[in-house]
Amino acid sequence: GQSLEQPSEVTAVEGAIVQINCTYQTSGFYGLSWYQQHDGGAPTFLSYNALDGLEETGRFSSFLSRSDSYGYLLLQELQMKDSASYFCAVTTFSGGYNKLIFGAGTRLAVHP
Amino acid sequence: DSGVTQTPKHLITATGQRVTLRCSPRSGDLSVYWYQQSLDQGLQFLIQYYNGEERAKGNILERFSAQQFPDLHSELNLSSLELGDSALYFCASSVQGVGGNTIYFGEGSWLTVV
Repeated sequence: GQSLEQPSEVTAVEGAIVQINCTYQTSGFYGLSWYQQHDGGAPTFLSYNALDGLEETGRFSSFLSRSDSYGYLLLQELQMKDSASYFCAVTTFSGGYNKLIFGAGTRLAVHP
Repeated sequence: DSGVTQTPKHLITATGQRVTLRCSPRSGDLSVYWYQQSLDQGLQFLIQYYNGEERAKGNILERFSAQQFPDLHSELNLSSLELGDSALYFCASSVQGVGGNTIYFGEGSWLTVV
């Protein structure tokens, strides 16, 4: 089967740095994505890693280690608007097609 | 605005009833995905279509069915509704299947079963 583990909640203060970890167990792994979802809103794409290493997009960076089945999302210079849920998602290849499977999400609360 | 349109935005219905949720993907996107999100839960993958054909199935109940039409819009049919079916149902679309391509979510359809 497939499983993804990420912390349920993380708390941080404005201006700080926070790292949200994601470990996964799956066959046919293709890549790891991160999505952000504000309460009541739609998930929006943040980043995608297919190869090992760090991908940087502004204040957000994402890292992947395929050998460790592990990735993380790093959020720098936190702002109040970053308070949201963050989902890691694995793209898997099975049965001839790709699927995108989401973790349970990490709720980030940013405080002044 | 992601370009993915879902209707209705909100729906309240009684147990045992049947509802249809509709999704129009972004212009040019051939793949459509349906996800279910219960209160404070993650996104549960239900089903995926590509250019009218079913491509992948997740934890979709037998009471639920979906299809993608020639104009690429999709419908998710939920029947014999139970209280536990109350959730936010998201449709998403992408150009191709997920191979690293971003998928774009609609705003969701809130279903409340009473």
